[in-house]
Amino acid sequence: GAVVSQHPSRVICKSGTSVKIECRSLDFQATTMFWYRQFPKQSLMLMATSNEGSKATYEQGVEKDKFLINHASLTLSTLTVTSAHPEDSSFYICSAGDLGLGEQFFGPGTRLTVL
Amino acid sequence: QKEVEQNSGPLSVPEGAIASLNCTYSDRGSQSFFWYRQYSGKSPELIMFIYSNGDKEDGRFTAQLNKASQYVSLLIRDSQPSDSATYLCAHQGGTSYGKLTFGQGTILTVHP
Repeated sequence: GAVVSQHPSRVICKSGTSVKIECRSLDFQATTMFWYRQFPKQSLMLMATSNEGSKATYEQGVEKDKFLINHASLTLSTLTVTSAHPEDSSFYICSAGDLGLGEQFFGPGTRLTVL
Repeated sequence: QKEVEQNSGPLSVPEGAIASLNCTYSDRGSQSFFWYRQYSGKSPELIMFIYSNGDKEDGRFTAQLNKASQYVSLLIRDSQPSDSATYLCAHQGGTSYGKLTFGQGTILTVHP
């Protein structure tokens, strides 16, 4: 399957700081990437759909001004958690898909801990 | 009603047995169905996808789809301790191209 990377894999920050997470598709071009969040013992919840060259589409209840998404190229999407607070601590996972087949391949995830 | 519901776990089976994981969905427009495996602390990895009614086999895994009953299942034959993980069922709705909606997951434990 296709390879998707994420960086960093783990980040610990103080409350009020901003954190940027990168998602890269390494061996294919992804016009669409997805950002998910997963709290402990819960399933993945889609936060937003990231479209190359256009604004992201956010799911209901997700603050677009707090979770800034940029999809600058066909291989890179970034998620910035602005003014992070402890309740933002979670496992953030991106995915990219071969939309011709519908499959999505997930990055390894980023564990965010806000103190 | 949740969009995707999985059989409540945790599910425990002995090594070598067949593990059966079930999933129902509410959106009749759903076109694609996926089974992911997620180990603790890791991101999901795709096991299988299925689009058409019937069975699809890949090694020890068989996915079954019944669109009339809005039901999809995953059978794992000859279960191994390494199969112990959380299994996530997901679908792509017809109105939301590309978006995956996940079930809550079923924890499977295969004991030696």
